[in-house]
Amino acid sequence: ILNVEQSPQSLHVQEGDSTNFTCSFPSSNFYALHWYRWETAKSPEALFVMTLNGDEKKKGRISATLNTKEGYSYLYIKGSQPEDSATYLCAFWDTGNQFYFGTGTSLTVIP
Amino acid sequence: GAGVSQSPSNKVTEKGKDVELRCDPISGHTALYWYRQSLGQGLEFLIYFQGNSAPDKSGLPSDRFSAERTGGSVSTLTIQRTQQEDSAVYLCASSLGGTSRTDTQYFGPGTRLTVL
Repeated sequence: ILNVEQSPQSLHVQEGDSTNFTCSFPSSNFYALHWYRWETAKSPEALFVMTLNGDEKKKGRISATLNTKEGYSYLYIKGSQPEDSATYLCAFWDTGNQFYFGTGTSLTVIP
Repeated sequence: GAGVSQSPSNKVTEKGKDVELRCDPISGHTALYWYRQSLGQGLEFLIYFQGNSAPDKSGLPSDRFSAERTGGSVSTLTIQRTQQEDSAVYLCASSLGGTSRTDTQYFGPGTRLTVL
C-alpha cells in the first residue's frame, strides 16, 4: 500500500484569504493525480486530473500544480469563500491499476 | 441527464448475511469504480471496470467481496458473510472510459451499509 499524504489535515481561514494545501505521493510508478472536493452530505466532485510534470490546471479561483519528479501537488484557492468549505482529497493512480487516496484537507472558510 | 445512482441508499443487515449493492452508471460511461469509506477513515479504492472486465481485483478487501458488471452498464458489489468491519459508505463512480485512469469520475450518492 502506497502512502499519499495531505497537509495540513485541517485549515480555518477567513473569507477572502487565499490558501493552499499539499499532496505528497510516491514519485515512482506515477500515472495520474486527481483532486476532488467533498462537501459534507454530498458526493465527491472532481476538480482536476493531472498527468504531466509541471502541469498547471485552473478552475475559477482554484488552481493546482504538479511535480511528478519530487512527488507533490499543490492546490491553491484564491479569495476563499464560505462555499469553498469542504474536504479536498487528492488521489494517485499508479501504473499498476491501483488508486490511492490521501486522507484529505478539511477547509473551513469563516465569513 | 441522470447521474450515477446507487441502491439501496441505506442497508442494515445482520452479521453473517450476504448483501448486494447496486450501481447504475451515467448512460454511455464505460468505466465504473467502487470505493468505500469506513467510519473515521479515508476513501478506499476497491475495484474498477473497463467495460465488463476488471483489470485488477487486488483492491477488494477480502475474498468475501466480489464485483461484477454485465452489459457494460449496471454493476453489483456483493459482500458475503458480512462482518461488522464491513460497515461503511460504499461509493460508486463512472467515467466516459476512454482512458480510465485519467478520466473525470462522477460519483453516486453512496450506500450506507450497517452490519449489526
